[in-house]
Amino acid sequence: GAGVSQSPRYKVAKRGQDVALRCDPISGHVSLFWYQQALGQGPEFLTYFQNEAQLDKSGLPSDRFFAERPEGSVSTLKIQRTQQEDSAVYLCASSLLPPGNTHYGYTFGSGTRLTVV
Amino acid sequence: DQQVKQNSPSLSVQEGRISILNCDYTNSMFDYFLWYKKYPAEGPTFLISISSIKDKNEDGRFTVFLNKSAKHLSLHIVPSQPGDSAVYFCAAMYNNNDMRFGAGTRLTVKP
Repeated sequence: GAGVSQSPRYKVAKRGQDVALRCDPISGHVSLFWYQQALGQGPEFLTYFQNEAQLDKSGLPSDRFFAERPEGSVSTLKIQRTQQEDSAVYLCASSLLPPGNTHYGYTFGSGTRLTVV
Repeated sequence: DQQVKQNSPSLSVQEGRISILNCDYTNSMFDYFLWYKKYPAEGPTFLISISSIKDKNEDGRFTVFLNKSAKHLSLHIVPSQPGDSAVYFCAAMYNNNDMRFGAGTRLTVKP
């Protein structure tokens, strides 16, 4: 597709449930990022992939969060045993080039709004 | 640890006038700054960027100014249009994977 596609758009999970959020980046984009945006805040970095390699996962808030991009295209962010504080919009972004070539920024998807009840 | 701060949560201006959105940062290692625009239910869209070696970058109605000594940058929109109404995020990075965002400023341009 022409842009970054995320699914589902909305997800309601019961506390303790596992969830999986999908990101389809722009075809050919090398870099893929996951961000978490809490209500009224800016996006917070979670993790970064260059192709299939997860080069930075320093932003993942706990070991309940896991991300993968096995074939260097589609990525999945998995949250195990969800807690209420996990409620946020999860944004995926992709970039043609590796970081350091940020003249054009990243292309963001519309996000998945996760609500944990 | 709020390294990028947008202290004004909202701004309202009249159509045709100038909009000035401000951003402050604390990390002197940042070497690239970006502005993103976000409409409801959409992801942020890249708007304009500036390298730390410059103090101004202009693109049509949008100009970003950088004052490194004050660790301050601003986005000027002239003339403002109703379609500019959105949330604007300031972001900064230092050649790694971690782009830091401010909390955003909601701009409303009144006809």
